[in-house]
Amino acid sequence: QVQLVQSGAEVKKPGAAVTVSCKTSGYTFNSYYIHWVRQAPGHGPEWMGWINPNSGATHYVQKFKGRIAMTRDTSISTVYMEVSDMRPVDTAIYYCAREGDSSGSDAFHVWGQGTLVTVSS
Amino acid sequence: QSVLTQPPSASGTPGQRVSISCFGSSSNIEKNSVNWYQQLPGTAPKLLIYSLNQRPSGVPDRFSGSKSGAAASLAISGLQSEDEADYYCSTWDDSLNAWVFGGGTKLTVL
Repeated sequence: QVQLVQSGAEVKKPGAAVTVSCKTSGYTFNSYYIHWVRQAPGHGPEWMGWINPNSGATHYVQKFKGRIAMTRDTSISTVYMEVSDMRPVDTAIYYCAREGDSSGSDAFHVWGQGTLVTVSS
Repeated sequence: QSVLTQPPSASGTPGQRVSISCFGSSSNIEKNSVNWYQQLPGTAPKLLIYSLNQRPSGVPDRFSGSKSGAAASLAISGLQSEDEADYYCSTWDDSLNAWVFGGGTKLTVL
């Protein structure tokens, strides 16, 4: 079945960078966009951007431009998101999510299990 | 502050029908389809309703979505204890050029 499996929890000091991976399986990797969404403790989800695994094209929400980078490795069906210059307010669970299904829907149909990133000195 | 506005809490007794609202604007809900996600404690969000009123396989037909103007609504009929969760609305915002979410509604089954 379709699965998104993310890397494990991370603890980072302010100013450091973190990279979270999202390994996909169960479908054709190039066929669906992957989005990244984060959720701070006690808050609703916050969308960060997407990557087109086929072309590598990306789109980031304005507030994160210059601080995040989404990449992919097609040989292992995995996408990555690097967040640089981490701050305590970036402490959150980071999720990858696959957009769409066979109907052409643009909703996030499949989610990874989440990666807790804690930023603390 | 979330772009989409939801009530922070809702409640009902087993068997009841409850409704959760989601208010947006002309740049998001009024122009685009709305998706709803359910999040059980300690788990990732799960797609509940997409394209306004479509349900992924496995989601019971007790769940339904609707929209009027810049407001959307999720209805749950025949409330069950396992429906106790956080619910989030989401849609694309043409002005922000971004997906936006509501702040979430915590549903309690009394």
